[in-house]
Amino acid sequence: AQSVTQPDIHITVSEGASLELRCNYSYGATPYLFWYVQSPGQGLQLLLKYFSGDTLVQGIKGFEAEFKRSQSSFNLRKPSVHWSDAAEYFCAVGPFTGTASKLTFGTGTRLQVTL
Amino acid sequence: SAVISQKPSRDICQRGTSLTIQCQVDSQVTMMFWYRQQPGQSLTLIATANQGSEATYESGFVIDKFPISRPNLTFSTLTVSNMSPEDSSIYLCSVEAQARGYNEQFFGPGTRLTVL
Repeated sequence: AQSVTQPDIHITVSEGASLELRCNYSYGATPYLFWYVQSPGQGLQLLLKYFSGDTLVQGIKGFEAEFKRSQSSFNLRKPSVHWSDAAEYFCAVGPFTGTASKLTFGTGTRLQVTL
Repeated sequence: SAVISQKPSRDICQRGTSLTIQCQVDSQVTMMFWYRQQPGQSLTLIATANQGSEATYESGFVIDKFPISRPNLTFSTLTVSNMSPEDSSIYLCSVEAQARGYNEQFFGPGTRLTVL
């Protein structure tokens, strides 16, 4: 069965500092990987996804993520965090079928940004 | 892409009652999904709803508790029946649509349900 682990429940960073959110997955085939952000009272917004090709993917809001097959990881990074980035971040994995159904989500990492 | 709205945005209900949540999409989509997000936890898929067929429920979820309707390609409802405090969650609707060459799931804003 597929699974996603986000080892950090809560992270606090200062505004302007760099950020890395960890995501490890377990999947028996080539995965389809996503990062979503959920701001308070909002639905989920897709930040970026990895389907194939270049293992470093660029997303919205200045985020990027790197797929490392050997480590089964898909960590999210941002070089300089803004106060508006405070939110809950979810990593998800799905089957490499060209569809986006049957996603399995991690438990999320709550990001707090201090000024 | 797809823009999704949900009604109600939040509700407080009494134990033993039922609540129907509506999900409206701005375009026709084949696959719609209902998720539950319990407090402090991740999203758990309840069921997949395709137009013209019965919803497919995930392990641990049954139709009697979470009946789903999918009358057309832009609309779905999820009913939470005979509610208990354990049903207090955010319920999210999502759809699969093509974006930038590959399929993605787009999510609604969620319905925050509190059961007393």
